[in-house]
Amino acid sequence: NAGVTQTPKFQVLKTGQSMTLQCAQDMNHEYMSWYRQDPGMGLRLIHYSVGAGITDQGEVPNGYNVSRSTTEDFPLRLLSAAPSQTSVYFCASTNQGSTRGGYTFGSGTRLTVV
Amino acid sequence: AQSVTQLDSHVSVSEGTPVLLRCNYSSSYSPSLFWYVQHPNKGLQLLLKYTSAATLVKGINGFEAEFKKSETSFHLTKPSAHMSDAAEYFCVVSPGLYSGAGSYQLTFGKGTKLSVIP
Repeated sequence: NAGVTQTPKFQVLKTGQSMTLQCAQDMNHEYMSWYRQDPGMGLRLIHYSVGAGITDQGEVPNGYNVSRSTTEDFPLRLLSAAPSQTSVYFCASTNQGSTRGGYTFGSGTRLTVV
Repeated sequence: AQSVTQLDSHVSVSEGTPVLLRCNYSSSYSPSLFWYVQHPNKGLQLLLKYTSAATLVKGINGFEAEFKKSETSFHLTKPSAHMSDAAEYFCVVSPGLYSGAGSYQLTFGKGTKLSVIP
């Protein structure tokens, strides 16, 4: 089924470890983004990309890196995990010309940093 | 700059009674507005969207919302609550799909948790 696929669904990291959260979409969407969700905070934008080779920072970018080498993939890298990065991470995509409407979200990655 | 205020963090209704979830927004552009629903431990599902067409927007599962520019509001309503409506609801604003690269950025409200009492 078409959509946004995030892996892994769950992850536990030790402080200081690095890891990459994967996000892939098969809808040929030009725009992809990463959000983190914390209780009582809604979702906050970490990084976004308006096309392959183009990325930019959102509201809470510190501690995260992204790259966009293909239209389909938009991985999020944690360079040195900290307990403050314990959160649920969502990837989303959309296309300005899409008739689907709105943004399509992945099912999320629940990350715990101990 | 844009912002979203969901006026209630928690709303509780009885099954079969109306639902009203309130949302006010601020945006420098002609915004696009969305309501998303998140059931426990699930992802986000689009309920409905406003993108400068009809001001009364109908969504899935009997929900609808009215865009009121003069009041900068986009309240979500449903005539009769069902147990399956219990979830968290997010009001979301975007500057507008035709406002350049920044138009893609979503700003979320902090969410309203809806409880439905049998």
